[in-house]
Amino acid sequence: DAKTTQPTSMDCAEGRAANLPCNHSTISGNEYVYWYRQIHSQGPQYIIHGLKNNETNEMASLIITEDRKSSTLILPHATLRDTAVYYCIVLRRNTDKLIFGTGTRLQVFP
Amino acid sequence: NAGVTQTPKFRILKIGQSMTLQCTQDMNHNYMYWYRQDPGMGLKLIYYSVGAGITDKGEVPNGYNVSRSTTEDFPLRLELAAPSQTSVYFCASSPKGDRVEVGNTIYFGEGSWLTVV
Repeated sequence: DAKTTQPTSMDCAEGRAANLPCNHSTISGNEYVYWYRQIHSQGPQYIIHGLKNNETNEMASLIITEDRKSSTLILPHATLRDTAVYYCIVLRRNTDKLIFGTGTRLQVFP
Repeated sequence: NAGVTQTPKFRILKIGQSMTLQCTQDMNHNYMYWYRQDPGMGLKLIYYSVGAGITDKGEVPNGYNVSRSTTEDFPLRLELAAPSQTSVYFCASSPKGDRVEVGNTIYFGEGSWLTVV
């Protein structure tokens, strides 16, 4: 599975959009981009995933560049409850193992 | 549904002691996982199972053992506890592993805090 690179930490003002980048320059054609987040020391929570098209759900939007070497998770209106560690993960289709990196610690401030 | 249930939530062990972290899920998921998370770090996969009777090593299996005799249960055993095993342990399950299908995701338990002194 391709490696990912994320900034260690980011800040965002409450009510503003939080844009979390992820670099996955070695991604291959059959690998998907997943995003999870972990609030406090709870178990990680699934957010969104995509292959090459941009995706949106009730939690967030995922923008994948045309060459698929990077992506951005967008929380359109960040709240204090969005303060968490966000993990970007690249997975092959039909793989059995979910491997986490170190993630980005997002701090939303009032 | 209770989801993924882990016990105990907190435990202190002495060096050399053994113990079992219990994990059970009531969602009839085939895939189950054990992760550990050290302070300030990401999650590391210890072992996983794709179904009853089948287990496989993850990234950091040394010092641990698992078994999967039923679909519901996936206990993690520490035979000779060491201070390096002080960590938070998460059990997780998934209906079809990490495969990319609409609606498929991994469900995590609330974590077990283990300290070895």
